[in-house]
Amino acid sequence: AQSVSQHNHHVILSEAASLELGCNYSYGGTVNLFWYVQYPGQHLQLLLKYFSGDPLVKGIKGFEAEFIKSKFSFNLRKPSVQWSDTAEYFCAVNRSSGAGSYQLTFGKGTKLSVIP
Amino acid sequence: DAGVIQSPRHEVTEMGQEVTLRCKPISGHDYLFWYRQTMMQGLELLVYFNNKAVMDDSGMPKDRFSAKMPNASFSTLKIQPSEPRDSAVYFCASRPGPAAAEQYFGPGTRLTVT
Repeated sequence: AQSVSQHNHHVILSEAASLELGCNYSYGGTVNLFWYVQYPGQHLQLLLKYFSGDPLVKGIKGFEAEFIKSKFSFNLRKPSVQWSDTAEYFCAVNRSSGAGSYQLTFGKGTKLSVIP
Repeated sequence: DAGVIQSPRHEVTEMGQEVTLRCKPISGHDYLFWYRQTMMQGLELLVYFNNKAVMDDSGMPKDRFSAKMPNASFSTLKIQPSEPRDSAVYFCASRPGPAAAEQYFGPGTRLTVT
């Protein structure tokens, strides 16, 4: 079964600082990758996704992520964070095909606190 | 589209009581998922359905939890009897068929069992 690890439990940044959140997955086959965001008290929303093609994916609100297949990584980045980016961020993966391909496996999440 | 709808949004109950959580998926979505979110375990998949049939319920404690999807637009997750360790936020999500499509999450039900 695949698994997802997010390296940082809690990240604290000042506004305008650059952000990079790490995500690694374990699965040898072809995968689809996602980043979801959960604002305080709200449900999960999709930030961006990678299925195939250009490994640099751009999402909403200025976020981007890079898929590095050799490193099994899908790190999330933003050049300049805002206070409104304070939220919890979840990396998720599912297999592209075969048994279990419809199930998303989530990382434990990284809480981001942006200080004004 | 109204998105995935869950009810109730908050539920407080006493240990031993029966709790029923409800979900209405996005119209046309063939897959429905129930997740539980806790501080300790993060997001855990409890069960998921494809075209109303249970596909995988290996994450669900079957002695007290049961999930049903009587029609394409409604699902329930029932806990009987409830225990304090069931306190969590329960999310329902739905998605259309293809494996690459993302899941759309509902607002969640915050369950507190005292």
